[in-house]
Amino acid sequence: AQSVSQHNHHVILSEAASLELGCNYSYGGTVNLFWYVQYPGQHLQLLLKYFSGDPLVKGIKGFEAEFIKSKFSFNLRKPSVQWSDTAEYFCAGLSGAGSYQLTFGKGTKLSVIP
Amino acid sequence: DAGVIQSPRHEVTEMGQEVTLRCKPISGHNSLFWYRQTMMRGLELLIYFNNNVPIDDSGMPEDRFSAKMPNASFSTLKIQPSEPRDSAVYFCASSLDREDEAFFGQGTRLTVV
Repeated sequence: AQSVSQHNHHVILSEAASLELGCNYSYGGTVNLFWYVQYPGQHLQLLLKYFSGDPLVKGIKGFEAEFIKSKFSFNLRKPSVQWSDTAEYFCAGLSGAGSYQLTFGKGTKLSVIP
Repeated sequence: DAGVIQSPRHEVTEMGQEVTLRCKPISGHNSLFWYRQTMMRGLELLIYFNNNVPIDDSGMPEDRFSAKMPNASFSTLKIQPSEPRDSAVYFCASSLDREDEAFFGQGTRLTVV
């Protein structure tokens, strides 16, 4: 079965620290990958997506993610976090083979300490 | 566009009562999804509509749950009768194409007491 794994449940960082959140997927063939962010009490918003092409994807708010096919990974990165980045981050995947079911990871809660 | 609109934002109801959640997708989107979010299980897909037709409802937990999409601009998720374990945040999402990014509504926080 297709699955998306996020290994970090809760990450605590100080402001200006660098961030990397892990995401691994278990799809064969073509895959579309997404990172969503959910700020406290709000809905999910798309940070970035990868469908094909350049494996380094840049998203909003200074986030980027790198698709590494050999490692089945799509880790999210930001060089310097801010207090306003405190949120929950979800990795999601969609098999490109005509699939519709966006499979979400369990989410990683990020707390940024001022 | 105002985005995906859900109502109500919060719902508190007593066990056994019927609950109806509403969703207006983004105009022009032909795919609509209902998700449930809980601390224990994370985000779960309940049902997926394409062009107003239910394609996959295998995520609907049991017969107490039903969903309809009578037209391209409206969908409902109904729970009858409701139980405390149904307490969760229910999100509606829509996408232009089933393989595209999903845009989420603000969610309905349901509490069944």
